[in-house]
Amino acid sequence: RKEVEQDPGPFNVPEGATVAFNCTYSNSASQSFFWYRQDCRKEPKLLMSVYSSGNEDGRFTAQLNRASQYISLLIRDSKLSDSATYLCVVTGTLYNQGGKLIFGQGTELSVKP
Amino acid sequence: EAGVTQFPSHSVIEKGQTVTLRCDPISGHDNLYWYRRVMGKEIKFLLHFVKESKQDESGMPNNRFLAERTGGTYSTLKVQPAELEDSGVYFCASSQDLRQGIQETQYFGPGTRLLVL
Repeated sequence: RKEVEQDPGPFNVPEGATVAFNCTYSNSASQSFFWYRQDCRKEPKLLMSVYSSGNEDGRFTAQLNRASQYISLLIRDSKLSDSATYLCVVTGTLYNQGGKLIFGQGTELSVKP
Repeated sequence: EAGVTQFPSHSVIEKGQTVTLRCDPISGHDNLYWYRRVMGKEIKFLLHFVKESKQDESGMPNNRFLAERTGGTYSTLKVQPAELEDSGVYFCASSQDLRQGIQETQYFGPGTRLLVL
């Protein structure tokens, strides 16, 4: 079983749609959680951190459910520029594990006019 | 402020040859990480330096891979001899000091695309 599993893609949505990505992780002791965005043939870039209380950044909302080991990302009013691959990422369990990132395979989003 | 840089951007080599990838982290970042994405798979951790010391090399696939970070600045990742399955995109990332309970943001370089024929 993979450490981080994401919805298979691709997601093809029209502009203005709301789209939700889901992710589960296998290690219950994982400490930190993120969504990264990766454009085609580019490097991953941090989109947002994910907290148990939930957090919002403009059109983006991230949620973490530790009991279910589940992470979500909601994008409202999607734009053409949101087209990218969204990567669910968790970190090691202890401070002294050095913060290596564990990636899901990514979910591709394509927003159409 | 300059971001993480990697060289070369692309490399095409034959099986059995040697390739050396270079990463220059963001100035002042003590932590440097190497990751790799092979086709169709997720990005996977290779190793982590804190300054010049290897903190975690649990992701290194085998002894054909050698990473160094002399002087705690830039890092090199050498593959010798290269095999077909080494093809992929090699990313470097850097972050500031790790503090107790705080996960510092890792900033990624553009990657080196390696193709072994």
